[in-house]
This record gives sequence, structure tokens and C-alpha cells, in this order.
Amino acid sequence: SQQGEEDPQALSIQEGENATMNCSYKTSINNLQWYRQNSGRGLVHLILIRSNEREKHSGRLRVTLDTSKKSSSLLITASRAADTASYFCATTVDTDKLIFGTGTRLQVFP
Amino acid sequence: GEEVAQTPKHLVRGEGQKAKLYCAPIKGHSYVFWYQQVLKNEFKFLISFQNENVFDETGMPKERFSAKCLPNSPCSLEIQATKLEDSAVYFCASSQFRPTSYNSPLHFGNGTRLTVT
Repeated sequence: SQQGEEDPQALSIQEGENATMNCSYKTSINNLQWYRQNSGRGLVHLILIRSNEREKHSGRLRVTLDTSKKSSSLLITASRAADTASYFCATTVDTDKLIFGTGTRLQVFP
Repeated sequence: GEEVAQTPKHLVRGEGQKAKLYCAPIKGHSYVFWYQQVLKNEFKFLISFQNENVFDETGMPKERFSAKCLPNSPCSLEIQATKLEDSAVYFCASSQFRPTSYNSPLHFGNGTRLTVT
């Protein structure tokens, strides 16, 4: 069964604004990852946060993880039109398979 | 190579026909994963390999789906007697280490779009 649920399902913002996406999951995890999918393409790995970490940064990306609430958020600061894509969280449990959330479709208008 | 290569990009099959999809993982990556994406949403895990050995096949509909990763050959996913519901984009991904390892993300190919008519 699906591990992650994301909200919002869709998000539209103007260039320069920040975008926040949230992910909730059901079971204990080893790590949580965020991926981006551009239309017609495969997933591209963005950032990984381990279960014992609370926050991580990579360029304009900031990820937080709250294991007590089983939730994570992805913040994209100063968004650009090129950030338009779908974003998926994914968790790994002991079996090593990545279980993906339902995704957030982000549209950034110039 | 430095990218996961999937072929073909598009595949159209009549219901009941066989479909075979191929994936060349990144050189040096030991793990290969197959996922099915329906309607641009959920990624459903199908099967994973550690080198040529099946690692986890809990997602495979075993009656009609099979997969292999043989040495010195692209990995393959085969669907016998396709059904309309098999229409989806099938993604292959590879990783150098186990996903539960730190800093071992999956690298995805661009997928094969299978349309069953």
C-alpha cells in the first residue's frame, strides 16, 4: 500500500515566491527522499534526509523531517519557472524499496 | 554509461500481446528497480534486483509479469498477454548501494510508455 500522502496536490505560484510541499507517511522509516519529475521524464533525486536528522539544506531547497508526526516538508525558496514539475516524497523502510507519495504538481508562473 | 537507458520510449500492444521493456542501469550500480506509474501519479514498486538476483519481488503481478537482469545484458521486464490496465509508464532505476544506505539515491531512466489497445 502507498506510504506517503502529499499536499497540496497542486500549487501555483509566481516566480520569486516560496513553495512549500508537505508529505505524511505511515510507518517508521530509514530515510526520506524528495524527487522531482518533469513532464515526460523520469524522477530526479533532490535531497535525502535520514531518520535521525531534522533539517537539511541544498541550494534553494530546505527539507524538514518530524518523525513524531511522520511528516516532512520541502521548501523551495525564490522559485523559478524552471522549478515547474511534480515533486514526490519517498520513504525507505527495511525492505529497501522506495515507496512514493502521491506527488505535488507545482506550477511557477514567470 | 552515466544514465539509466530505457528502451523503447513508446510501445503499443494489442490486448493479449506480449510486451518487453529493456533497461541498462548505470555502470557500477548493483541495484535495479522497476516501477509502474499510472496517470502521472502513484509509482507502484514492481521488483528489484541486486546484480542478477531478485532482491524484492513483492510488487510483481506474477501471473503475467516477469523480469530478469542477466550479466552483460540489459535488464528486462516482460508482460505476457497484456491487458488494458497494464497501460502505464514503466520506469527503471538503479542505485550503487542499497537505498537504506546513506546517500544512495535512485537514478531513474525516462521510462517506457506502454499503451495497450
